[in-house]
Amino acid sequence: ETGVTQTPRHLVMGMTNKKSLKCEQHLGHNAMYWYKQSAKKPLELMFVYNFKEQTENNSVPSRFSPECPNSSHLFLHLHTLQPEDSALYLCASSQVVPSGHSYNEQFFGPGTRLTVL
Amino acid sequence: DQQVKQNSPSLSVQEGRISILNCDYTNSMFDYFLWYKKYPAEGPTFLISISSIKDKNEDGRFTVFLNKSAKHLSLHIVPSQPGDSAVYFCAASQYNFNKFYFGSGTKLNVKP
Repeated sequence: ETGVTQTPRHLVMGMTNKKSLKCEQHLGHNAMYWYKQSAKKPLELMFVYNFKEQTENNSVPSRFSPECPNSSHLFLHLHTLQPEDSALYLCASSQVVPSGHSYNEQFFGPGTRLTVL
Repeated sequence: DQQVKQNSPSLSVQEGRISILNCDYTNSMFDYFLWYKKYPAEGPTFLISISSIKDKNEDGRFTVFLNKSAKHLSLHIVPSQPGDSAVYFCAASQYNFNKFYFGSGTKLNVKP
């Protein structure tokens, strides 16, 4: 595997289900991100992990719970979602310097298309 | 409040002609800008970037122009090819923050 992979690619879930999205990066990066893309809207940053530590939670509802067990893996745990949470969820990674900032671009996975019924 | 805006949701261009995609931003602290390209069923892929110390960066058929006073950047593709048909996102960042702000994208259609 190369680059950034995401599983599953498609997910349909009911509002009472619990599911998890998985992201893995094979680039040796030390920062990972979750984005949400709704139709005709900008990518919305949800969470940032630098060196496995969460450094950003962009006012995301608690029904979304991220987990970063190591610098290569990132999960997004989903619980009691709403239909308006249906969107494309994108994972990305980048290499940052220890101070936390970087001019390096982010590499994206293909996304998980989530539908909440 | 959206800090990066792409006001044209779509653009159609004839093959061989120039494609110009535009992006405006509101935060004068942004000092690094990127363009990403996205095909259906794939994640965005990095295309080209520019830092605020420059006003132009060129890479093959792709050139990004930055006008800091107008808070505007544009991506020029010349000559346009059918394979360039995709959604293009611009993004902006501040050097001190590991966070990118994205526009809503412009769908480019290059007609053969």
